[in-house]
Amino acid sequence: GQQVMQIPQYQHVQEGEDFTTYCNSSTTLSNIQWYKQRPGGHPVFLIQLVKSGEVKKQKRLTFQFGEAKKNSSLHITATQTTDVGTYFCAGQDRSGNTGKLIFGQGTTLQVKP
Amino acid sequence: GAGVSQTPSNKVTEKGKYVELRCDPISGHTALYWYRQSLGQGPEFLIYFQGTGAADDSGLPNDRFFAVRPEGSVSTLKIQRTERGDSAVYLCASSDGWGDTQYFGPGTRLTVL
Repeated sequence: GQQVMQIPQYQHVQEGEDFTTYCNSSTTLSNIQWYKQRPGGHPVFLIQLVKSGEVKKQKRLTFQFGEAKKNSSLHITATQTTDVGTYFCAGQDRSGNTGKLIFGQGTTLQVKP
Repeated sequence: GAGVSQTPSNKVTEKGKYVELRCDPISGHTALYWYRQSLGQGPEFLIYFQGTGAADDSGLPNDRFFAVRPEGSVSTLKIQRTERGDSAVYLCASSDGWGDTQYFGPGTRLTVL
């Protein structure tokens, strides 16, 4: 079945350093969504990418969707302690009339002040 | 406005017991999803409702799991003869339509002793 792989599993950075997490799907995706989950919290929607090669920015966060719509990345510039949490990518499968999300394993970011 | 709510927030039960988990979606959202999240993993899809009907139940692990949404709003996930392996956080999400952003509730942490 469809799988979404995400690396790295953990990343520890010094405050002010950059951070990147990568996501790869075994199949072509209709779109990809990114979520952030704080410790003890639930996934909170960050952004959705739909078009091949799409790039979107939210302040210090840059999201990219690959040309083949099978991979994606999230890059955070100059991390802050408020960026701590687990970042999940989730591929959406619109075939068969379902919008279910297939989540990656997540990348847990720790930021040392 | 009010987000997705789930009750109870925590449920501890004994192996072999029956449990019901409730989800109140965002008012007006027609699509409702159940996911299960084990420690250190991304959410795993269980079932998707469009209105009152289960449009995709391919993620339900076995016939001990069942979900209903009789009036197209509140949904209940039912687990029979619980097993220790069922212990996880059960997340509910809703969206305006099956291709739209999914908003997650706080989850129910189920512990089977």
